[in-house]
Amino acid sequence: DTGVSQDPRHKITKRGQNVTFRCDPISEHNRLYWYRQTLGQGPEFLTYFQNEAQLEKSRLLSDRFSAERPKGSFSTLEIQRTEQGDSAMYLCASSTGAGRQGIDTQYFGPGTRLTVL
Amino acid sequence: AQSVTQPDIHITVSEGASLELRCNYSYGATPYLFWYVQSPGQGLQLLLKYFSGDTLVQGIKGFEAEFKRSQSSFNLRKPSVHWSDAAEYFCAVGSSNYKLTFGKGTLLTVNP
Repeated sequence: DTGVSQDPRHKITKRGQNVTFRCDPISEHNRLYWYRQTLGQGPEFLTYFQNEAQLEKSRLLSDRFSAERPKGSFSTLEIQRTEQGDSAMYLCASSTGAGRQGIDTQYFGPGTRLTVL
Repeated sequence: AQSVTQPDIHITVSEGASLELRCNYSYGATPYLFWYVQSPGQGLQLLLKYFSGDTLVQGIKGFEAEFKRSQSSFNLRKPSVHWSDAAEYFCAVGSSNYKLTFGKGTLLTVNP
């Protein structure tokens, strides 16, 4: 069991550039989640996939953000025209999808730290 | 909408002392509660979780938490803190729409 992995771990970009992050969930985990964590705050939910279907998106996910999980395995999160306010840690998590009433344990990756200059 | 409050932003304890981190939640149905720990620059590691059953839950690294429905609390405890426990601790509540709602975290400093 290799855990959730994220790439890159750190990304520095200039305002207005596009960035893309990748998340590889734990093998055979059906659910994949993206969260954003700013300094001094807890993680905030962005979006969630059940296999390849994106089932929920937070209002935090503006139209500059897009997430995909094309084959139900890895996922990408793209931010277009980055702004300084996008600077944060982007965390990915996965779960089996076998939990009762939709709740099961989410396992987190190490995160991607984005800095927008 | 669900919410989580961690009243203590920063706690300092001496190594070997006991620890209690507070967590209060607001949720309209049966809560699913979690404690995660985050070391600097790292992701979150699950310490323990409560779904149902025994209200005293044991976790990894010697941590435990007690669910008290009457107080809407899920406090984390450890009888003897080690220097390696210094980190940030997050309480979270899970809802039927799958997302976790986190508190703002409590930063733990351990003095030698």
